[in-house]
Amino acid sequence: LAKTTQPISMDSYEGQEVNITCSHNNIATNDYITWYQQFPSQGPRFIIQGYKTKVTNEVASLFIPADRKSSTLSLPRVSLSDTAVYYCLVGDTGGFKTIFGAGTRLFVKA
Amino acid sequence: DAGVIQSPRHEVTEMGQEVTLRCKPISGHDYLFWYRQTMMRGLELLIYFNNNVPIDDSGMPEDRFSAKMPNASFSTLKIQPSEPRDSAVYFCASSGSTGETYEQYFGPGTRLTVT
Repeated sequence: LAKTTQPISMDSYEGQEVNITCSHNNIATNDYITWYQQFPSQGPRFIIQGYKTKVTNEVASLFIPADRKSSTLSLPRVSLSDTAVYYCLVGDTGGFKTIFGAGTRLFVKA
Repeated sequence: DAGVIQSPRHEVTEMGQEVTLRCKPISGHDYLFWYRQTMMRGLELLIYFNNNVPIDDSGMPEDRFSAKMPNASFSTLKIQPSEPRDSAVYFCASSGSTGETYEQYFGPGTRLTVT
């Protein structure tokens, strides 16, 4: 399983775009990249998943370069409610042998 | 759908007692996962099932832990005997293998305190 490396924490202000980068140098051919969000006292919640290039949904965008050794989660115009821990995961096509790293604690300030 | 349901939400027990955590996955999902989260170790995958069969239990910390899935709508995680170091939040999650993304849906968790 590919190990991931993310910043421990990030600060931002309301209305700004936030980009969280994850490094996964040993990603395998069959691996997908998945991001989860976790609020205190809640279980993680799926944000977005991708294999290559760019994926966008109503919540975020995921940018994956051609070598797939890193990925960037982009949150447009964050609000106070986006304060949470964000996890980057890399797993096989089944995505089921999941290893959560330490995650990135995002603090959004007013 | 009500989402993944876990019970109890909170459990306080004394060292040496048996603890049983329960999970009802989302209907139609064929994968079920048990995780444990602590401040020190983060979120750890303990075991996961596919079609009620345990696939990987390499994350189960020791023989005191056991998990079962007698049918597609119910799973248990049992700790016997419990120890203070088992105190953590235990999450159950489920996933379907037929969707476009391999998304896991997490339950609200059970906060276990062993005194």
